Amino acid sequence: NAGVTQTPKFRVLKTGQSMTLLCAQDMNHEYMYWYRQDPGMGLRLIHYSVGEGTTAKGEVPDGYNVSRLKKQNFLLGLESAAPSQTSVYFCASSYTGLALKGGTYNEQFFGPGTRLTVL
Amino acid sequence: GQNIDQPTEMTATEGAIVQINCTYQTSGFNGLFWYQQHAGEAPTFLSYNVLDGLEEKGRFSSFLSRSKGYSYLLLKELQMKDSASYLCAAGGYQKVTFGTGTKLQVIP
Repeated sequence: NAGVTQTPKFRVLKTGQSMTLLCAQDMNHEYMYWYRQDPGMGLRLIHYSVGEGTTAKGEVPDGYNVSRLKKQNFLLGLESAAPSQTSVYFCASSYTGLALKGGTYNEQFFGPGTRLTVL
Repeated sequence: GQNIDQPTEMTATEGAIVQINCTYQTSGFNGLFWYQQHAGEAPTFLSYNVLDGLEEKGRFSSFLSRSKGYSYLLLKELQMKDSASYLCAAGGYQKVTFGTGTKLQVIP
């Protein structure tokens, strides 16, 4: 199993250009997430999906769009890149189930990340 | 929403014990995760607490007090490879909110 994969690993864009980041998982997880990680800011949720064909906004959704046409893929799009979107982007997937000791368990499995620079 | 606080940096000596604290204020709390992240790599799962008390897994232990909104990660017999960032995360039903992480440096 490859787990969670991300394409590309690195990318440099000019302001105003567009691009799509691809995330794929082979664990049959229902939930998928896109985060960005910036120094001193931790992981911040951009968008997420709880199933094929559904998406929802996270903490920092502005400037990004997503699509989940297939269960195993979650795409993150930047329509008009800005320097403020320079960051490391992580995709994650999870299943949600009942924890043995109660509560809901949703361990997240992360992809290797995409390092994006917008000039 | 969720608010998670943890120290920014810590330094500890190889072979010693270190405790990384995390406090959280949250709605819809379902459990507390700890992740490890080495520089330039993705976060990886360390532990999960849903009930009050201590969960032990080898050299790593994690504690939760739901009434106090408090957790800690305890690392014993520190090794140089434990130098990494440790992320505290509060789990909700569909989402997880991460703290900013604690960068741990292990020195000889």
